[in-house]
Amino acid sequence: DIQMTQSPSSLSASVGDRVTITCQASQDISSSLNWYQQEPGKAPKLLIYDASTLRTGVPSRFSGSGSGSNFTFTISSLQPVDIATYYCQQYDYPLLTFGGGTKVEIK
Amino acid sequence: EVQLVESGGVVVQPGGSLRLSCAASGFTFDDYTMHWVRQAPGKGLEWVALITWNGGGTYYADSVKGRFTLSRDNSKNSLYLQMNSLRTEDTGLYYCVKDMDDSYGWTAFDYWGQGTLVTVSS
Repeated sequence: DIQMTQSPSSLSASVGDRVTITCQASQDISSSLNWYQQEPGKAPKLLIYDASTLRTGVPSRFSGSGSGSNFTFTISSLQPVDIATYYCQQYDYPLLTFGGGTKVEIK
Repeated sequence: EVQLVESGGVVVQPGGSLRLSCAASGFTFDDYTMHWVRQAPGKGLEWVALITWNGGGTYYADSVKGRFTLSRDNSKNSLYLQMNSLRTEDTGLYYCVKDMDDSYGWTAFDYWGQGTLVTVSS
């Protein structure tokens, strides 16, 4: 099974800061990687799919990049509403796995 | 509007059984793969199982394989998760999730229910 290693597990940043989260797959998964946001007490929301495609309606300050086994998720300018836990998820056939999550807080 | 409404979560003893249900609306149910994803209290997300559009294919996480069975009734726009031989580590919030892929495969989870809580405890 493919393992997803996400880092850091938590971070604290100031409003307006650039925030970067990484996700590493245990093997090559091409661009089969998605990113989700889970606000406290709520169900997760899909933000980015296929490693870099922004879902319709998601603010452009969110972006994703990478391919193969190394991926990056970026918030270009952190906003108070972005306080949440973020997860990567791979879908290399046939099973799916999540990264461990990154909790983002405001400093 | 896509809606996914889970039900069936209760407190059950270790070794017991439970069936979760998910009622779907707002989209053509039999065009999409469906999933269950769970989250233990205070922990991360874990994909549990998927079922293809016609029920012809099912896949399970190793942690539940042989104990859980996923099925669907496209005439009722419903998804079911039969959970047997439950363990304390199965405790968590279980989400019914729609897949985004419209070509009968699976890729991303684009719509989530609000979840139903399963507690396995003696």
